[in-house]
Amino acid sequence: KQEVTQIPAALSVPEGENLVLNCSFTDSAIYNLQWFRQDPGKGLTSLLLIQSSQREQTSGRLNASLDKSSGRSTLYIAASQPGDSATYLCAALTSTNQAGTALIFGKGTTLSVSS
Amino acid sequence: NAGVTQTPKFRVLKTGQSMTLLCAQDMNHEYMYWYRQDPGMGLRLIHYSVGEGTTAKGEVPDGYNVSRLKKQNFLLGLESAAPSQTSVYFCASSFFRTEAFFGQGTRLTVV
Repeated sequence: KQEVTQIPAALSVPEGENLVLNCSFTDSAIYNLQWFRQDPGKGLTSLLLIQSSQREQTSGRLNASLDKSSGRSTLYIAASQPGDSATYLCAALTSTNQAGTALIFGKGTTLSVSS
Repeated sequence: NAGVTQTPKFRVLKTGQSMTLLCAQDMNHEYMYWYRQDPGMGLRLIHYSVGEGTTAKGEVPDGYNVSRLKKQNFLLGLESAAPSQTSVYFCASSFFRTEAFFGQGTRLTVV
């Protein structure tokens, strides 16, 4: 059974710092890995998608990497800003027991960036 | 382009009442999912569908039923609501093995 873990659960940094969020998964047979952002009381916004054949994806100040063999992904945020404060979720697209696929989520890292 | 729309956004039910949550997507996606999000538990898969007319159970299906009569709609039903079903419910959709898009959620309270 796929399990996804995110460390740390919470992180507080001053504005301008570069930071790394970690995600690990137990079953390396994933199809892709997706990073989401969730603001309090809101839905999930997709940030980056890494296909299983890719090593990394970049969007603006965000860079996500994937190492399937070690079961790890990282989300790098450069020059953090107060507007980056949110919960970040990673999810691994995995085969289900009934011949489908579904995203399995970690519990998230709550980031607070102070000005 | 509305993406994934969930109806209603908020609801309060009494124990034993029934209700249906509606998810609609306008992206012609084959896959649709229902998740629930609870503090400390993260997002957990309730049911999913790989195409019109198909449904399958996820991790926490008990107490819920689903239907996908039209490709664009995925309905989640609670036949007899219980306080343990108080949660935030999210619907998502995607093409096969591609990026998933989520709705804004339905906040359900069962008293």
